[in-house]
Parts: sequence; C-alpha cells; structure tokens
Amino acid sequence: EIVLTQSPGTLSLSPGERATLSCRASQSVSSDYLAWYQQKPGQAPRLLIYGVSSRAIGIPDRFSGSGSGTEFTLTISRLEPEDFAVYYCQQYGSSPLITFGQGTRLEIK
Amino acid sequence: EVQLVESGGGLVKPGGSLRLSCAASGFTFSNAWMIWVRQAPGKGLEWLGHIKRVTDGGTTDYAAPVKGRFTISRDDSRNTLYLQMNSLKIEDTAVYYCTKQSLSGSFDSWGQGTLVTVSS
Repeated sequence: EIVLTQSPGTLSLSPGERATLSCRASQSVSSDYLAWYQQKPGQAPRLLIYGVSSRAIGIPDRFSGSGSGTEFTLTISRLEPEDFAVYYCQQYGSSPLITFGQGTRLEIK
Repeated sequence: EVQLVESGGGLVKPGGSLRLSCAASGFTFSNAWMIWVRQAPGKGLEWLGHIKRVTDGGTTDYAAPVKGRFTISRDDSRNTLYLQMNSLKIEDTAVYYCTKQSLSGSFDSWGQGTLVTVSS
C-alpha cells in the first residue's frame, strides 16, 4: 500500500498570499496517477487536480499541481476567501488499493 | 448534470447490518466504475472499494478494513449503486460517499454523503 504524507498539517495564510501544499508518497506513484481534492465543512470533496497537473472542469487557474515520483505539490497562486478548506492528495495508480493523504487544513491567518 | 444521491444511513448497533444506496443520474451509469469512500468524524478520507462496469467484468475490490464484511453491488437497470454492510463495528461510524471514477481514474463526482452511526 502506498502511504501519502501531507505537509504541513495546518497552513495559516492571508487572502492574496501564495499557498504551497506538499504530498509525499512512500513509493513512486505510477503513471502520475495523483489527484488533489478540496473539502469544505459539511460538504463532499471536490476534484481539483488529476494526473498530477491537469485541472478538473471549472477549477480556476490559480490552482496548479506539479511533481513526479514521490513528491507532489499543490499551489494556489493567490488565495481567495473561498479557498480556505481542507485539501487531500490521492494516488490511484496502485489500483485496486487507492489511498488518500491525511489532509492539510488551510486556514485564514 | 451528474448527480449522486446516497440514502440508507442511520443508527445501527454493533454487529448489525445496513444497506446504503446511491442513485445516479446525468451520466451513463453502466459505463462507470463506481466507488465508496467514507470519512469518520473529524478524520480524513478512506477508500472502501469499487465495482467495475460490466464490460470490464463487473468485479469488485475492497480495502482491508472492510473486506469480507462489506459488499458493493450495482443495478444498471436502476442506475443505482449499493453498499451492503454486515458485522458493523463502532469504528465504521462515518459519512459514506459514493463517487464516480473518471476516465483518468480520479473521482470526478461525489454524492452528498450519508451518515452511519454504529453505537449501542
């Protein structure tokens, strides 16, 4: 099973700032099958990024993903008030065993 | 518009059973691999298992914590996904989401979730 470790656990920033969230895998993620999800309180997760760097439909271009192998990053270039949420990375390359990271909480400073 | 609507959650005693349903619309359900994910209170997301489309064999896979206790099935004529949960444990308390797997393999649509509480 691939274990995903996200850092930091909590990130405190102000609107307008740049956010950088990390996701480290215990072994290489095959075929770049790495996704990012956003979850707001009381809501279901929403797909942001798939295939490491492809934005899902309707996702603003301030969200970007990068990385390869075992190190991945989600960057939010300029934080909007609605971006404060919990973010999860997910690998779906070692199917059938799909795993999520433990999440990074992005909070308003 | 893709819609996934879960139902069937509630309070159940340890050792009991429950069946969740997920009604799908807005896409060709029979063409999709479907997944169940859960989230314990205040915790992260946990993949439980999936069921492939019939043309890919219609087979299922499960995460270790639920293998042998949970069963995923589908009725393509009703556009409905199911999760049969047996031998429930307190640690199965969570919000249960059904999701749709995209062609890329990620989970591109989610239901609103249904809460299952296992307590005596």
